[in-house]
Amino acid sequence: AQSVTQPDIHITVSEGASLELRCNYSYGATPYLFWYVQSPGQGLQLLLKYFSGDTLVQGIKGFEAEFKRSQSSFNLRKPSVHWSDAAEYFCAVGAHGNTGKLIFGQGTTLQVKP
Amino acid sequence: NAGVTQTPKFQVLKTGQSMTLQCAQDMNHEYMSWYRQDPGMGLRLIHYSVGAGITDQGEVPNGYNVSRSTTEDFPLRLLSAAPSQTSVYFCASSYSEGPGYTFGSGTRLTVV
Repeated sequence: AQSVTQPDIHITVSEGASLELRCNYSYGATPYLFWYVQSPGQGLQLLLKYFSGDTLVQGIKGFEAEFKRSQSSFNLRKPSVHWSDAAEYFCAVGAHGNTGKLIFGQGTTLQVKP
Repeated sequence: NAGVTQTPKFQVLKTGQSMTLQCAQDMNHEYMSWYRQDPGMGLRLIHYSVGAGITDQGEVPNGYNVSRSTTEDFPLRLLSAAPSQTSVYFCASSYSEGPGYTFGSGTRLTVV
């Protein structure tokens, strides 16, 4: 069965520091992979997505993620975090040919220290 | 404005009551789905649809019904509300295979 694991429930970084949020997935074939961000009381906004091709994908707000098939990972990175990046981040996986379904990880809450 | 519109934004129900959460999109998306979000559990798929007249169950379908009579609308019905259905509900839509879902702003439901 498909599953997504975000090992870090809560992460705190200083403003200006680099950030990496981890995401591991379990799926038998090449999946579609997504990162979403949710600010308090808001809906989810798509940061970036991977379908095929270049394994390093660029997203909005300066985020990027790298698909590593051998590690079943899709980690999200940002070189310099801004206070406005404080939010909850969700990794999700969708299956080729059945993308009516997205499976989400539990989420990682990012706190940014001034 | 184009997007996914959910109504109502907040709702309080008594146990046993029924209600319908509305979801509409004006982007001509084929795919639509409903999720519930609970603390520490991420989002879990309730029901989804890949086109008008086609629906299927997700991870947590019990206690919920859906139908898709038009491309634009995908209502979620709670048949007999239970406190366990207290949650934030999100509707999402997408054009076709894999471009990334657009989410509504959510409905916060409390069942007392």
